[in-house]
Parts: sequence; structure tokens; C-alpha cells
Amino acid sequence: DQQVKQNSPSLSVQEGRISILNCDYTNSMFDYFLWYKKYPAEGPTFLISISSIKDKNEDGRFTVFLNKSAKHLSLHIVPSQPGDSAVYFCAASGSNYKLTFGKGTLLTVNP
Amino acid sequence: NAGVMQNPRHLVRRRGQEARLRCSPVKGHSHVYWYRQLPEEGLKFMVYLQKENIIDESGMPKERFSAEFPKEGPSILRIQQVVRGDSAAYFCASSRDPSDYGELFFGEGSRLTVL
Repeated sequence: DQQVKQNSPSLSVQEGRISILNCDYTNSMFDYFLWYKKYPAEGPTFLISISSIKDKNEDGRFTVFLNKSAKHLSLHIVPSQPGDSAVYFCAASGSNYKLTFGKGTLLTVNP
Repeated sequence: NAGVMQNPRHLVRRRGQEARLRCSPVKGHSHVYWYRQLPEEGLKFMVYLQKENIIDESGMPKERFSAEFPKEGPSILRIQQVVRGDSAAYFCASSRDPSDYGELFFGEGSRLTVL
């Protein structure tokens, strides 16, 4: 039972263009959503989050959008840089410490 | 390095042996979480511990797996009588407060291979 789904295993974009990573969830009890970035052989690092009371949160080049009615969130990276190449995990929480992760999307930003 | 420290980074065990994974949280953090990532999967919650207490072990397999976070020393995830299906990356994370649940600090992981 996959409660957090990232349907695109991989995404390739050109440097300078926008990267859009998508995530869907099924559990209505989730009220806090996060994106983590992971390089090979390293642990995930927190990138950006959004509470269910908001529909957008922005931090520099990274923006997360939340559509509660569609149970969908997305991460926009503008402009994309080669250093952004990594696996991006979407995660969700129901107001507690337990995070439910998606399988991840491998983003490749080509120079 | 003030981050979460995990060791060993890589561990190879034969079926039936024991695996012990250690995690030292960020200095000042007293809440530790273990997650497991199976191949081609996302991270899955295993257990949440505070010093000397297991708060939530709902994600731990019922048998062969145990975790502790003693008053002194690192948190330990112990897997007895390992099987091939235990091969995975095991990540430890820490936080200062459980209300910081979203923004966990993760270690680099311990990659267990069972032959």
C-alpha cells in the first residue's frame, strides 16, 4: 500500500530550464509534506516543506505547490543547475514524527 | 563533523550472522529514528527512540530486529540471524524535538549486504 507515489522514476532537463517533480498521496490524514534530496552514497537532506494550510512555499530556486483536493504536490526548481542532479524524495506526515516516503525521482540536469 | 554519524558504512554478513549498526545523533539531539531503504524503494520508518526509551517500533519486523538508545553511547540497530531480504540501506536520523519531525537530519546510512 503505497501512500506516497512518485510516478516518474527519472527526469532529465537542460541546465537553466525548469524542473518539475510530482508527487501524489492517498492518505487524507497527511498534513505536512516535505522534499528531500539525496546524492549517491549519502543520506537524504531536507530541501523544503509545506503545511496543508498553505498551497505554496518558496525558498530561492525551489518552490513547492500543494493541491489538497487533488492530493498532489510538486517541486519546481528554477533555474535548474547541474548540481541539482540527485534523487528527490517526496515525504508526508500526519502531524507526527513518522515520515512516509515515495520511491524517489532521479533528476538529471544536463549542462 | 556535527552531523549524524553512522557506522559501519558498509557491512557484509553471511546468512544467520548478526548485524549491528550504530548511530550517533547530532550533538544536542535526543530523538533518534531509524529508516530502511530496500532496493528500488523509498525509505520506510522502522523505530523512534529517545534516550533509554523506545517510543514507537511499529515499523520494525517483529522478529530478529531490535533497537536501543542507551543513556551513554550511540543508538544501536541489531539484526539477528540475518537473511538475504535484510540487505538494504539503513538510515538513522535525529531531531532536537519530535515537533521537528519534518526536518530530520539523516546520516549517510549503513549498507548491509547479506550473502
